[in-house]
Amino acid sequence: QKEVEQNSGPLSVPEGAIASLNCTYSDRGSQSFFWYRQYSGKSPELIMSIYSNGDKEDGRFTAQLNKASQYVSLLIRDSQPSDSATYLCAGKMDSNYQLIWGAGTKLIIKP
Amino acid sequence: DTEVTQTPKHLVMGMTNKKSLKCEQHMGHRAMYWYKQKAKKPPELMFVYSYEKLSINESVPSRFSPECPNSSLLNLHLHALQPEDSALYLCASSQDRGQPQHFGDGTRLSIL
Repeated sequence: QKEVEQNSGPLSVPEGAIASLNCTYSDRGSQSFFWYRQYSGKSPELIMSIYSNGDKEDGRFTAQLNKASQYVSLLIRDSQPSDSATYLCAGKMDSNYQLIWGAGTKLIIKP
Repeated sequence: DTEVTQTPKHLVMGMTNKKSLKCEQHMGHRAMYWYKQKAKKPPELMFVYSYEKLSINESVPSRFSPECPNSSLLNLHLHALQPEDSALYLCASSQDRGQPQHFGDGTRLSIL
């Protein structure tokens, strides 16, 4: 069973600090990973894609992929209350192109 | 605002009704998806269309019937639904299968 695992949280982080969200996966064949942000009652919004080992930065967001250890992380610098949401990690399985979704981590940024 | 448009935003229907959910995208994407999402759960894939052909059907009950009239449109026809089918129904599209998916705002469906 191919799986993507996330701690459901909630993860509470003070405003201005770095929020670190983590995701592990079971399928070594997984090549691509995506981070989505979902506000309560809204649809998922793509915030980062990462395809190769290492770091990828976009504004306050940094995605990290370590294929040897089979984990993906998302760092949010200078966290704002507006970052409070559920963050979903999804991995693409090359065998059939489907996305395997983690359960999501609820992030709370405390002012 | 999203580039994937779903209508209606809310739908309440009885168990004997027939209704349809609609999804439209004008990004030239060739893959389109239907997902079902329950509260505090991740999206659950229902159907995938690639180049207007159904490529994945995740063992969804026949009371859900997808249709892809053209590369920009995706419908989900609903008939004789059950109360447990109440959920947020999400449409997504991507340039091709395996590419990042972009979601519409969803249709919140309630079955009485």
